Amino acid sequence: KAGVTQTPRYLIKTRGQQVTLSCSPISGHRSVSWYQQTPGQGLQFLFEYFSETQRNKGNFPGRFSGRQFSNSRSEMNVSTLELGDSALYLCASSLAGGTGELFFGEGSRLTVL
Amino acid sequence: GESVGLHLPTLSVQEGDNSIINCAYSNSASDYFIWYKQESGKGPQFIIDIRSNMDKRQGQRVTVLLNKTVKHLSLQIAATQPGDSAVYFCAENLGTGTYKYIFGTGTRLKVLA
Repeated sequence: KAGVTQTPRYLIKTRGQQVTLSCSPISGHRSVSWYQQTPGQGLQFLFEYFSETQRNKGNFPGRFSGRQFSNSRSEMNVSTLELGDSALYLCASSLAGGTGELFFGEGSRLTVL
Repeated sequence: GESVGLHLPTLSVQEGDNSIINCAYSNSASDYFIWYKQESGKGPQFIIDIRSNMDKRQGQRVTVLLNKTVKHLSLQIAATQPGDSAVYFCAENLGTGTYKYIFGTGTRLKVLA
């Protein structure tokens, strides 16, 4: 069974640009969550989608947004990039149900110059 | 690979010894907890979980202990091996019915040959 796939793995952007990251969950998983990982703040919850609906959102500015498609694939977008947005963005998929294991992808490493 | 965290607390143990990694969680209402292992350049990987109605759970070479009175989790790894070298995170679920988790700051485990 294929794991969670995130693309791109690495990307470099400049301040003010926007970026879109993609996540394909494990087949059959309907929940997709996004986390930001930085050395200073650790792993922080961004948002979770289930059946194309945002079910929960973390404490991030409105520049961070996401969506989920009918096939459970998800994208997140960051607009007007700032230097502090440089991070590893991790996507995790899960079965329906609300609690249980998160299956993480290997992440998208974003560097903002 | 990428560095997960530059200033993480580090636990160094001799190969073959037992390791104990501790975590203080934040919310007394949290009802589900997971320990994750993250190797350099990879996403977090599930190790073991425990629900709040339990105080101990054992897996293969790993044991998780939960003390709800002081909001403390520990992960015990028996007969630590070089492959156990990684960063370990605890994660708590607030019982909101979603996959929103709060992650601890992490502990780097170094296994000395």
